[in-house]
Amino acid sequence: SQQGEEDPQALSIQEGENATMNCSYKTSINNLQWYRQNSGRGLVHLILIRSNEREKHSGRLRVTLDTSKKSSSLLITASRAADTASYFCAPLLSGGGADGLTFGKGTHLIIQP
Amino acid sequence: SQTIHQWPATLVQPVGSPLSLECTVEGTSNPNLYWYRQAAGRGLQLLFYSVGIGQISSEVPQNLSASRPQDRQFILSSKKLLLSDSGFYLCAWGDTYTEAFFGQGTRLTVV
Repeated sequence: SQQGEEDPQALSIQEGENATMNCSYKTSINNLQWYRQNSGRGLVHLILIRSNEREKHSGRLRVTLDTSKKSSSLLITASRAADTASYFCAPLLSGGGADGLTFGKGTHLIIQP
Repeated sequence: SQTIHQWPATLVQPVGSPLSLECTVEGTSNPNLYWYRQAAGRGLQLLFYSVGIGQISSEVPQNLSASRPQDRQFILSSKKLLLSDSGFYLCAWGDTYTEAFFGQGTRLTVV
């Protein structure tokens, strides 16, 4: 397993604006997953993008993956106060699986009303 | 549907006391199980994972141990807690090729 690094560490925007956070990793991956964590709660899976995909959408979420740059981005459009949370990426190594996902420090997103 | 239960939600323990956190999964068989710790200002640290009964892999050396006495039960233990064991502990299960499912966590404060 390998750890993704999220950037920025913190992000504060106004409600209704778009929020973009980035993830970088170091080696070849099978897939990359994004999770959200509300304060004091467990992580919730948001979206998974496979290594042969470049973009994926789910509701207001848009994820891109650039395997040549070993990076991914998560875009949340039309942000809402309820989107306030920490967001983590989890790259899964090619050939990896059972030994678990690893997570960085995440991006702490604050949506100002 | 699958659910994961983790308890207790909060725990305050004195230094040197033992620890036992329990996690159970329902609605699936032979899941991969994981214990993570999240310390203040730090990311999630993978502590242990298990691919089957009695099979435990440790990611980092520490004051903690894990056991899997039943297929869907995962226990995190310590014989003597240290102040540095304080943190937010999360249990998870899943097939990491698709997604991991997390419990609600246990906030442990060692005093």
